[in-house]
Amino acid sequence: DAGVTQSPTHLIKTRGQQVTLRCSPKSGHDTVSWYQQALGQGPQFIFQYYEEEERQRGNFPDRFSGHQFPNYSSELNVNALLLGDSALYLCASSLAGSGNIQYFGAGTRLSVL
Amino acid sequence: AQSVAQPEDQVNVAEGNPLTVKCTYSVSGNPYLFWYVQYPNRGLQFLLKYITGDNLVKGSYGFEAEFNKSQTSFHLKKPSALVSDSALYFCAVRRSGGSYIPTFGRGTSLIVHP
Repeated sequence: DAGVTQSPTHLIKTRGQQVTLRCSPKSGHDTVSWYQQALGQGPQFIFQYYEEEERQRGNFPDRFSGHQFPNYSSELNVNALLLGDSALYLCASSLAGSGNIQYFGAGTRLSVL
Repeated sequence: AQSVAQPEDQVNVAEGNPLTVKCTYSVSGNPYLFWYVQYPNRGLQFLLKYITGDNLVKGSYGFEAEFNKSQTSFHLKKPSALVSDSALYFCAVRRSGGSYIPTFGRGTSLIVHP
């Protein structure tokens, strides 16, 4: 049973470019959350998708958008990249319901030059 | 607003000794509390959670945590540390009911010396 998989593992972009990160949830999970983890910091919640809709959103600008597909996989898109967007982006999957455990992928390391 | 404080950036302990990683939180209403561990180049791995019920929660790999409502704390403990426990530990809180959004602490680096 594969866990949460993310691609790519590393990515280098320049300012102003756009990037798409991908996530496949753990088998049986229907909810996907995205986090940004800056160096030396804890993960910060970006948004959560359930039933192909954004269910909750953290304090991130509209440059950050996402999508969830019918097979529950998800994409995170970031437009007009800034240097400050450089971080580890984590995807976590879970079953819908309060208090359910999140399973994290290994993340995508994004460097913006 | 909700917040988590992990007052120690780093905790050092000798193998075989007990360990404690501290966490205090602030949230309106009842909290859901979580501990995660992160190894180098890996995602976060769930250790344990407190939702309701017994204040002492037992989790994976021999870890446990005690929920203390009066002190708004949720310290992570283990009776006997292993070198392999060396990693980055994160405490997280979210409010029960309503918005799902969790808040993570900055993390505490645990170093267990042989």
